[in-house]
Amino acid sequence: GAVVSQHPSWVICKSGTSVKIECRSLDFQATTMFWYRQFPKQSLMLMATSNEGSKATYEQGVEKDKFLINHASLTLSTLTVTSAHPEDSSFYICSAREWTNEQFFGPGTRLTVL
Amino acid sequence: AQKITQTQPGMFVQEKEAVTLDCTYDTSDQSYGLFWYKQPSSGEMIFLIYQGSYDEQNATEGRYSLNFQKARKSANLVISASQLGDSAMYFCAMRGLYGGSQGNLIFGKGTKLSVKP
Repeated sequence: GAVVSQHPSWVICKSGTSVKIECRSLDFQATTMFWYRQFPKQSLMLMATSNEGSKATYEQGVEKDKFLINHASLTLSTLTVTSAHPEDSSFYICSAREWTNEQFFGPGTRLTVL
Repeated sequence: AQKITQTQPGMFVQEKEAVTLDCTYDTSDQSYGLFWYKQPSSGEMIFLIYQGSYDEQNATEGRYSLNFQKARKSANLVISASQLGDSAMYFCAMRGLYGGSQGNLIFGKGTKLSVKP
């Protein structure tokens, strides 16, 4: 099956710093990539949808200036949490969709902001 | 708007017994897909089973089967012969296959399944 990787798998940072999370489709080209956030014991909430080479579409309530998404190629999307604060601590999961419309999930990145 | 409802926050099942996890959905789309995912404590989302809205037969994948009742808008997951490794969170999800909602998976709140030895 198709593989999606995320890096790093976990990160701890100080409040006010920026953190970049990478999402890569390893053996397929992703026409669309999705970023989800999951708080403890809650469901996955879609943050944004991005297509290669175009601006991401953010869900209502998600600050686009705080969560910068770059989908520079068909195999790479990055999520940058700018000026992170403790309330941004969460589990971030990316997902990639290929041309067949199958969607594959990355293993997630656990962000802790001190 | 699409909505997924999972009414069971937690479920217990004895090892080797079958268990049904409930899922109801609401959508105005004519064509849609229903998914079940398993999320162990490690956090990865593991795809289990898929049912298309026009599929006439219930989907099955090994020990997993999806009890699809379109008129009732329900898509329950049945796990037969539960194993200790089945203990995890289970999410029901839906995606429109055409139009504006295409590609956006909407998730339910999940059900935590605990398998007892």
